[in-house]
Amino acid sequence: AQSVTQLDSQVPVFEEAPVELRCNYSSSVSVYLFWYVQYPNQGLQLLLKYLSGSTLVKGINGFEAEFNKSQTSFHLRKPSVHISDTAEYFCAVSPRPAGNKLTFGGGTRVLVKP
Amino acid sequence: KAGVTQTPRYLIKTRGQQVTLSCSPISGHRSVSWYQQTPGQGLQFLFEYFSETQRNKGNFPGRFSGRQFSNSRSEMNVSTLELGDSALYLCASSFRGASGTDTQYFGPGTRLTVL
Repeated sequence: AQSVTQLDSQVPVFEEAPVELRCNYSSSVSVYLFWYVQYPNQGLQLLLKYLSGSTLVKGINGFEAEFNKSQTSFHLRKPSVHISDTAEYFCAVSPRPAGNKLTFGGGTRVLVKP
Repeated sequence: KAGVTQTPRYLIKTRGQQVTLSCSPISGHRSVSWYQQTPGQGLQFLFEYFSETQRNKGNFPGRFSGRQFSNSRSEMNVSTLELGDSALYLCASSFRGASGTDTQYFGPGTRLTVL
């Protein structure tokens, strides 16, 4: 079984400031790792994913994440946020190679202030 | 390409009734997964269908069921509705769904309210 913990439920941040969203996971098997974003009244959109290889993963909209196997973490960062980044962000894992059974963290709500 | 579509977008039912939600995947996608999103429990995996067969199942009671048709469209059914079934139900499709290398695309969801 897998579990995902997002350490911050809400993160307020000023426009053009950097942001980091923390994610830790637990699993008895190897996993794939994902970050999704959900805008109000919408479904989920994939920001980035870690499958293998380089531990630094770049995604859409200027986001990147770093996989740390020893700390079982997959933190998401953006060097400079915009008002449009206000949304809820979800970290998720799925066991290899079992496909689409995603286990999600509780989400982090990012509020970008002008 | 059109995205994942879900119908209806909003639904109000009363306790004890049953409900059917529909999901049309992206053209060419054969895997459809369903998730329940609630404020208390967050996002939880319900089940995944591939080529009309259930491939994965989450920890939900038997009142929750699904199926997939030959055109990959999927339906999920909830019988004997309870207040706790009020949630946003999300559908996601992917081409193959055989591994995490296959990106899942989510629909906008169906908001179910049980009174």
